[in-house]
Amino acid sequence: NAGVTQTPKFRILKIGQSMTLQCTQDMNHNYMYWYRQDPGMGLKLIYYSVGAGITDKGEVPNGYNVSRSTTEDFPLRLELAAPSQTSVYFCASRSGTGKEAFFGQGTRLTVV
Amino acid sequence: AQSVTQPDIHITVSEGASLELRCNYSYGATPYLFWYVQSPGQGLQLLLKYFSGDTLVQGIKGFEAEFKRSQSSFNLRKPSVHWSDAAEYFCAVGGVSGTYKYIFGTGTRLKVLA
Repeated sequence: NAGVTQTPKFRILKIGQSMTLQCTQDMNHNYMYWYRQDPGMGLKLIYYSVGAGITDKGEVPNGYNVSRSTTEDFPLRLELAAPSQTSVYFCASRSGTGKEAFFGQGTRLTVV
Repeated sequence: AQSVTQPDIHITVSEGASLELRCNYSYGATPYLFWYVQSPGQGLQLLLKYFSGDTLVQGIKGFEAEFKRSQSSFNLRKPSVHWSDAAEYFCAVGGVSGTYKYIFGTGTRLKVLA
């Protein structure tokens, strides 16, 4: 049982480069989330989705984009990487009837 | 505004000692409450959750938490800490129908002394 899978686990980007963080879940969950985690700051919501084709901004969406073409996948796109985007990124999902979120293992991104 | 406060950034306890991690929340309605644990380099694992009913909830790994509406608190406790409990602990609120989102505290890092 895979749950929520994130790839890659680690990545180093140069300033101005772009990349996509992949997230897929095999639990048929409607809701999916992207958080970033910075030391001493807890988790901040970047974007979330309540179903295929529906996405919305969270607390810190600037510099990121998302899409949700299928129930399973919720990729996060960084178009022009900046040092401020150095962080650990977590994807999570939740069912329509459930109340708790299930998290992936995270992607550690460094922008240099 | 909705918020979660974990007043203790770091806590150190000796193995075998009892533990209490504090969590206070600000939420417009009765929230759904959660405690997650994060081991180094890992994702977040759900320890326990409260939705309604009995205000003392039991979780995995011997943890429990008590919901106190009058104090807007949801403190996490364990009677006897094990070295493997060293990790970061996050309190969260949300997931209420119509809001979908979760709000996390800033975390408490637990160190366990042998």
